[in-house]
Amino acid sequence: EVQLVESGGGLIQPGGSLRLSCAASGFTVSSNYMSWVRQAPGKGLEWVSIIYSGGSTYYADSVKGRFTISRDNSKNTLYLQMNSLRAEDTAVYYCARFSLVDRMSSSSGHFDYWGQGTLVTVSS
Amino acid sequence: DIQMTQSPSSVSASVGDRVTITCRASQGISSWLAWYQQKPGKAPKLLIYAASSLQSGVPSRFSGSGSGTDFTLTISSLQPEDFATYYCQQANSSPTFGPGTKVDIK
Repeated sequence: EVQLVESGGGLIQPGGSLRLSCAASGFTVSSNYMSWVRQAPGKGLEWVSIIYSGGSTYYADSVKGRFTISRDNSKNTLYLQMNSLRAEDTAVYYCARFSLVDRMSSSSGHFDYWGQGTLVTVSS
Repeated sequence: DIQMTQSPSSVSASVGDRVTITCRASQGISSWLAWYQQKPGKAPKLLIYAASSLQSGVPSRFSGSGSGTDFTLTISSLQPEDFATYYCQQANSSPTFGPGTKVDIK
């Protein structure tokens, strides 16, 4: 059974740093595309970052230069290092597996498995 | 970046109703569209991918259609467990989500 379990959220002051973890089971993180998606309180979903199976990483403009996505293959775990945190980073952070379907008739990239989320609150 | 819009932003419906939600992309995305259902306090759940493919385990009353810039999610006969917020998402470029459509009880 595929499972994703996030941890590491909490209350942090503006300008501070936090590292989120996402422990995966039922599949191999390093063989898949893995992503972080966040949701501010009462708001919609916002993609944050992705790491490809080959190791390439990409970020939303809103976090570029401040957040770093990485993985530990030996622990089958995904991470998000968040630095220079701002009030607007307050959100539930979800890790999710990103799956690609490439068919002649149609193609897709979608998030097929999600963790339960971890809340990050940036406030003084 | 590709922007996604959804309409309506909310809809009130009764059990058994047919509900249709529309999603529009700011530029063509072929079939690179997915739909999610989210209930309060829970993670999103994938319903539809590749615009019209039903995710395993999702009831057949959910269906998706469209290509290019205009897409539709249809719930053929609304059930009590379907009251939730629905999001579309494109992945033709860096993933972006629509603002959501809340389906609540009439």
